[in-house]
Amino acid sequence: DTEVTQTPKHLVMGMTNKKSLKCEQHMGHRAMYWYKQKAKKPPELMFVYSYEKLSINESVPSRFSPECPNSSLLNLHLHALQPEDSALYLCASSQASGGNTIYFGEGSWLTVV
Amino acid sequence: DQQVKQNSPSLSVQEGRISILNCDYTNSMFDYFLWYKKYPAEGPTFLISISSIKDKNEDGRFTVFLNKSAKHLSLHIVPSQPGDSAVYFCAAHGSGTYKYIFGTGTRLKVLA
Repeated sequence: DTEVTQTPKHLVMGMTNKKSLKCEQHMGHRAMYWYKQKAKKPPELMFVYSYEKLSINESVPSRFSPECPNSSLLNLHLHALQPEDSALYLCASSQASGGNTIYFGEGSWLTVV
Repeated sequence: DQQVKQNSPSLSVQEGRISILNCDYTNSMFDYFLWYKKYPAEGPTFLISISSIKDKNEDGRFTVFLNKSAKHLSLHIVPSQPGDSAVYFCAAHGSGTYKYIFGTGTRLKVLA
């Protein structure tokens, strides 16, 4: 069983909607990640938080807004998305030092209509 | 520029035989490598990892081999089981970064 929990599992939203994806981990990890995965493609890094501070933003459009309220929680706020943003959004976590395993949640399937 | 490549998009193996999945990388700064298994509509599940100071790591039916001079790693699954049928991703991580770069994946099908 994954120890990284993502909600909702499925989300359908219109292009004018505002919604959020949520992620929670209880492994005591201090680094948390958002990845995006399209069909038949590898996961692509979007954001990394380390000790609740944004460490990496891979030039993600501002319609995606991450938030890390505390060391266990990670949110991804969505606003004015485009149909091409439809994908599997994966949250992950790891220890904050190097050479560590990154553990993924089950993912949130997002469809933008 | 794809820094981590899995050149075989698919592989079919008979049940009980060995499955060998390959992965090549270009960045010599990568120092930690991981393999993940992914079923459709689920997140990747961690299988096994290897640090660049080692050339082999074993965990049950899974063994990862690392050839640093060739910038190549492979995952051996012995014996292969039908439940191993999934997409396998290799990933590489550079020292001092939080960037885990994933390969394009290999779809393994284990035939009963």
